[in-house]
Amino acid sequence: DTEVTQTPKHLVMGMTNKKSLKCEQHMGHRAMYWYKQKAKKPPELMFVYSYEKLSINESVPSRFSPECPNSSLLNLHLHALQPEDSALYLCASSRAGNTIYFGEGSWLTVV
Amino acid sequence: AQSVTQLDSHVSVSEGTPVLLRCNYSSSYSPSLFWYVQHPNKGLQLLLKYTSAATLVKGINGFEAEFKKSETSFHLTKPSAHMSDAAEYFCVVHSNTGNQFYFGTGTSLTVIP
Repeated sequence: DTEVTQTPKHLVMGMTNKKSLKCEQHMGHRAMYWYKQKAKKPPELMFVYSYEKLSINESVPSRFSPECPNSSLLNLHLHALQPEDSALYLCASSRAGNTIYFGEGSWLTVV
Repeated sequence: AQSVTQLDSHVSVSEGTPVLLRCNYSSSYSPSLFWYVQHPNKGLQLLLKYTSAATLVKGINGFEAEFKKSETSFHLTKPSAHMSDAAEYFCVVHSNTGNQFYFGTGTSLTVIP
């Protein structure tokens, strides 16, 4: 099973809202990632968690707040977003030094 | 430092003809290399990976790629394109430091009926 599950698939939120994106994997992977992808562009790394600790934060604005409650779950908390934050948000996981597996993504629209 | 260059942003082929998507990498050590496909409004799906075993790697849906160290290349090929192959393709290199993956800019494949 190489599945990474993301919810919700679509989210529309106002600029004053607070919402969360959720990601789950049961492959025993200890590295989990959040990527942001704009149309016709490659995914851009936002955060990496390794063994439930934040190991990489690519200078992402504080309106994005990641959380890794346990080795299977990864959340991305959203608050006071801007319209330019509208994008596909991809969660991924990997075993250290090995293949990265992606979820289907959450389409976020900020209005 | 690791980096990936996809040499073509768009490739257009006729159905039934061969596909070649080009990728060059830069790495200070023997890299792990991957090709992913992304269909419209979907996530990224692994096509194949190279991890220092056989230099010719076979993947899903009839795709394969050859690792050429002397040319620092990892080009993706398929003998006969199918309409369902129309998608965005990403070449990716893995870095041991920080457990990061570096993406190429992508190649959009169009298949003409």
